[in-house]
Amino acid sequence: RKEVEQDPGPFNVPEGATVAFNCTYSNSASQSFFWYRQDCRKEPKLLMSVYSSGNEDGRFTAQLNRASQYISLLIRDSKLSDSATYLCVVTNNDYKLSFGAGTTVTVRA
Amino acid sequence: EPEVTQTPSHQVTQMGQEVILRCVPISNHLYFYWYRQILGQKVEFLVSFYNNEISEKSEIFDDQFSVERPDGSNFTLKIRSTKLEDSAMYFCASSEPRGNYNEQFFGPGTRLTVL
Repeated sequence: RKEVEQDPGPFNVPEGATVAFNCTYSNSASQSFFWYRQDCRKEPKLLMSVYSSGNEDGRFTAQLNRASQYISLLIRDSKLSDSATYLCVVTNNDYKLSFGAGTTVTVRA
Repeated sequence: EPEVTQTPSHQVTQMGQEVILRCVPISNHLYFYWYRQILGQKVEFLVSFYNNEISEKSEIFDDQFSVERPDGSNFTLKIRSTKLEDSAMYFCASSEPRGNYNEQFFGPGTRLTVL
């Protein structure tokens, strides 16, 4: 079983729509969770950390469900600039990041 | 805003040659990392480095790989004898962990092409 699994998409949505997707992780001892975004052939950029109680950053909301071992990301009022690949990232007590393969989101005008 | 920088942006080399990829982490960070991403695949951890020594490495990071912090600012990844399958984007990252949270910031990457 892969350590971090994501629906690859693509999710094609119109501007202004809401899009949401999940990620599952296999290691119940995982400690920290993040969403990164990656544009084509660029570096991963930290979008947000995911806290146990869930957290929001502007139009982005992240949730963590430890019992079911999944993390979600919701994007409200999608903008063209939100088009990217969203990477689910998990760590244990060590500091290495384990990446999912990414979920591709395309926002169309 | 401070950022991680990497040089060169693109390196082309012949199989069997040595390459050194360079990184300048964010200045107040103490943890450094190398990751790679083969085209079309996920980002994979190679090695983490703290206090002038390797703290963890993956199975990918075999004897052909080494890391060094030669001075107070640079962090390098050396591949001794490159193979075709080493062709990938190599990302350097740095962090200053806060408790369990270790937000790592990535450089723009070096695209390594082995011919």
